[in-house]
Amino acid sequence: GQNIDQPTEMTATEGAIVQINCTYQTSGFNGLFWYQQHAGEAPTFLSYNVLDGLEEKGRFSSFLSRSKGYSYLLLKELQMKDSASYLCAVRETGGYNKLIFGAGTRLAVHP
Amino acid sequence: GAGVSQSPRYKVAKRGQDVALRCDPISGHVSLFWYQQALGQGPEFLTYFQNEAQLDKSGLPSDRFFAERPEGSVSTLKIQRTQQEDSAVYLCASSPQGARGANVLTFGAGSRLTVL
Repeated sequence: GQNIDQPTEMTATEGAIVQINCTYQTSGFNGLFWYQQHAGEAPTFLSYNVLDGLEEKGRFSSFLSRSKGYSYLLLKELQMKDSASYLCAVRETGGYNKLIFGAGTRLAVHP
Repeated sequence: GAGVSQSPRYKVAKRGQDVALRCDPISGHVSLFWYQQALGQGPEFLTYFQNEAQLDKSGLPSDRFFAERPEGSVSTLKIQRTQQEDSAVYLCASSPQGARGANVLTFGAGSRLTVL
C-alpha cells in the first residue's frame, strides 16, 4: 500500500526557520518531490531527492533518508509569501512519472 | 504554450449534469496526468496518458469518469451524471517522457468543479 504522512498545519514567524517532515511507505520508490501550492493556484516544484542526503537550493533545502522512509523540507529566513501548502510526493517505480501525494502541510507565517 | 492551461477555471453544475474539463499541456510533453484535489487535501491520481495512449486509469473513481487525449496533445476529462462528491479541483499536469532524474511534473491551475 501507499501511505504518506505530513503534519496538517504549522505556524512560524517571519525570519525564522521551519522544518516540515514527511514519512512515507510506498510499494516502490523512485524519488521524492516537494511542491508548494498557494491557495487557488497550481502546485509548483520546489525540490527533488532520490539519493540520501541534503539538497540545498537557496532558502529551501530538502533531506532524504530512504532507509527510514523520511524526508524534510527546511525553509530558512521565512517570508510572508512562504505562507502556502507544502506537498510531499513520492514517485513510484514503474517507468513513468506518477506521483503519489501526501495531504499537504499548511504553513502560516506571521509577522 | 509556456505552461499547462486548463479550462474552465470554474464550473458550477447541477447534480446529474455532464461536464467536460479541458487541459492544454506544455508543447512536446509526452506524459499527461489528471489529478483530483479535494479541499484541504493533496492531489489524488486519476489517470495517465503517454501520447494518445491511456496507460493507467486506476484512479478514476467510477465509470462516470472518462478521459481522452485523441491526438496526443489536448486532453479532456469528462464526468457524466455529476454527483456532489465530485466537487473538487481537477488538476492536469504534464512532463517530458520517462521517470528519470528530476523529471518535473508541471501543473495547471486547475478547474474547480462545484456540483449543487
